[in-house]
Amino acid sequence: NAGVTQTPKFRILKIGQSMTLQCAQDMNHNYMYWYRQDPGMGLKLIYYSVGAGITDKGEVPNGYNVSRSTTEDFPLRLELAAPSQTSVYFCASNIQGGGGYTFGSGTRLTVV
Amino acid sequence: ILNVEQSPQSLHVQEGDSTNFTCSFPSSNFYALHWYRWETAKSPEALFVMTLNGDEKKKGRISATLNTKEGYSYLYIKGSQPEDSATYLCALNAGGTSYGKLTFGQGTILTVHP
Repeated sequence: NAGVTQTPKFRILKIGQSMTLQCAQDMNHNYMYWYRQDPGMGLKLIYYSVGAGITDKGEVPNGYNVSRSTTEDFPLRLELAAPSQTSVYFCASNIQGGGGYTFGSGTRLTVV
Repeated sequence: ILNVEQSPQSLHVQEGDSTNFTCSFPSSNFYALHWYRWETAKSPEALFVMTLNGDEKKKGRISATLNTKEGYSYLYIKGSQPEDSATYLCALNAGGTSYGKLTFGQGTILTVHP
């Protein structure tokens, strides 16, 4: 049972480049989330999804887009990367919205 | 925007010491309070999900209490061990099961010295 799988683990982007952070879970969880972690700050919610075809903005959505075409996958797209997007990104899921999250291992992104 | 505060920001203890830290949240916005342990180079791992005022949960040497009326939760570690060194995160679910969104505190970094 792989849980929540994130790829890549590390990435360096140049300003203005685009990329997609992949997230997949094999637990049949309906709810999936993307958070970013900045030093000294709590995890901030970027986007979330309560099921295939349903997504919504979190607290810090600007500069990002998501899609949820299947229950398993929830990719996060960065368009026109900016230095302010340098962060550690975590994908998480849970089965019904009320339980504890299962987190992926994170993606450390640096924009230079 | 909900404000979830954790204190202290960091803590150094000796092996065998017992320790505790605090999570404060707005008592008017409450559905559930989560605690996670986040070890370096790993992903956060769920410890407890607490929903009832006065609730107490225990997992080995770690326990947590919840006061929803005054808006705080305590995490206790009895007889700290070096392997307890981690960042401990609390998170508030204010919206219920419809979305399951969490607002996280900034974490308490615990270092246990042998």
